[in-house]
Amino acid sequence: DSGVTQTPKHLITATGQRVTLRCSPRSGDLSVYWYQQSLDQGLQFLIQYYNGEERAKGNILERFSAQQFPDLHSELNLSSLELGDSALYFCASSVAGGFNEQFFGPGTRLTVL
Amino acid sequence: AQSVTQLDSQVPVFEEAPVELRCNYSSSVSVYLFWYVQYPNQGLQLLLKYLSGSTLVKGINGFEAEFNKSQTSFHLRKPSVHISDTAEYFCALTTYDKVIFGPGTSLSVIP
Repeated sequence: DSGVTQTPKHLITATGQRVTLRCSPRSGDLSVYWYQQSLDQGLQFLIQYYNGEERAKGNILERFSAQQFPDLHSELNLSSLELGDSALYFCASSVAGGFNEQFFGPGTRLTVL
Repeated sequence: AQSVTQLDSQVPVFEEAPVELRCNYSSSVSVYLFWYVQYPNQGLQLLLKYLSGSTLVKGINGFEAEFNKSQTSFHLRKPSVHISDTAEYFCALTTYDKVIFGPGTSLSVIP
């Protein structure tokens, strides 16, 4: 158990819909990272927040957005969903602002029908 | 631009045999290198990392990796594998503002 929690574990929705994925980092960690893992794209870094501020941006689509709240939990919002958005979405956390040692959550499996 | 290549998508190996999982990277700037393991239906777990210093890095579960700057490689090794090592292994590099993962190598340990 990494100490990072993600909810829900599974999510099934339809094209065009909007969903919110939630992540609670390890106690004391200030950074939260979001990743998408799919068979065709592999593991892709989406975005990082550090202590409430956006720190780094990866291959995140404009239909996707994230935020980190004062209690340091984070939410990833996915809108206008397409079939190709079906994937595993991981959250990770670390104590510092870089990418040096991240602790990954168990993931949320999103299925878009 | 940076990239990570894992030359073998699947590696079958018999239990108690040695294994090497290969990773090559490309970058024009200094990077840090990592190996992560993903067990079925779980998130990734850090095995080991190279930030600086000794080029031979030891990690958890008996794994080690050697950083070779001239060959731009960071191969992962274990002298004797166990059934429990069956998993997906990812090599990754980071810069100050990004992380790039390789496509992964599926290690299957055969009893």
